[in-house]
Amino acid sequence: SQQGEEDPQALSIQEGENATMNCSYKTSINNLQWYRQNSGRGLVHLILIRSNEREKHSGRLRVTLDTSKKSSSLLITASRAADTASYFCATERNFGNEKLTFGTGTRLTIIP
Amino acid sequence: NAGVTQTPKFQVLKTGQSMTLQCAQDMNHNSMYWYRQDPGMGLRLIYYSASEGTTDKGEVPNGYNVSRLNKREFSLRLESAAPSQTSVYFCASNLRRDNQPQHFGDGTRLSIL
Repeated sequence: SQQGEEDPQALSIQEGENATMNCSYKTSINNLQWYRQNSGRGLVHLILIRSNEREKHSGRLRVTLDTSKKSSSLLITASRAADTASYFCATERNFGNEKLTFGTGTRLTIIP
Repeated sequence: NAGVTQTPKFQVLKTGQSMTLQCAQDMNHNSMYWYRQDPGMGLRLIYYSASEGTTDKGEVPNGYNVSRLNKREFSLRLESAAPSQTSVYFCASNLRRDNQPQHFGDGTRLSIL
């Protein structure tokens, strides 16, 4: 069964606007990761946030984690056409158990 | 640096045929994984190998077998393909340490008629 669920399933915004995607999960975790998938390609790792972290930044990406609510959000600022892709959250449950459980993804479309 | 390489990229099979999907990584990673991706389902883990010589079932292992040939290579075999196995298959790898992201290949698109 899917551990995480992303919200919304699809999002369309104008270039230059900010995009926010949310992820909810069900069990305790060691870390949560966000991946991007361009059409017809494999997943590319974007950012990893540990269970004891609340916020993390990488370039135009900002990720938050609320373990009390079992939720995370991914913010992409100043969106570009190249950001058009599907975004997935994935959770690693236990230290030493590297298996990831993926959510169902958010399809982001940036309108030029 | 090729990363994770999957072959073939596309394949069409008839029901009952067998085939092996190949995966190789050149990053000296310990752990390797096979996933399938179906529309609206995200990625689901089929099998994984935490290190050379070990393999374990994931969430959806039925109908599949795997072989960890050496540290670099991890193959997925369909012994008797079924239409329900039509999917996109991804191989991934990472270092067996805490908080290590996975690196993915570009997938094999498999259709079973």
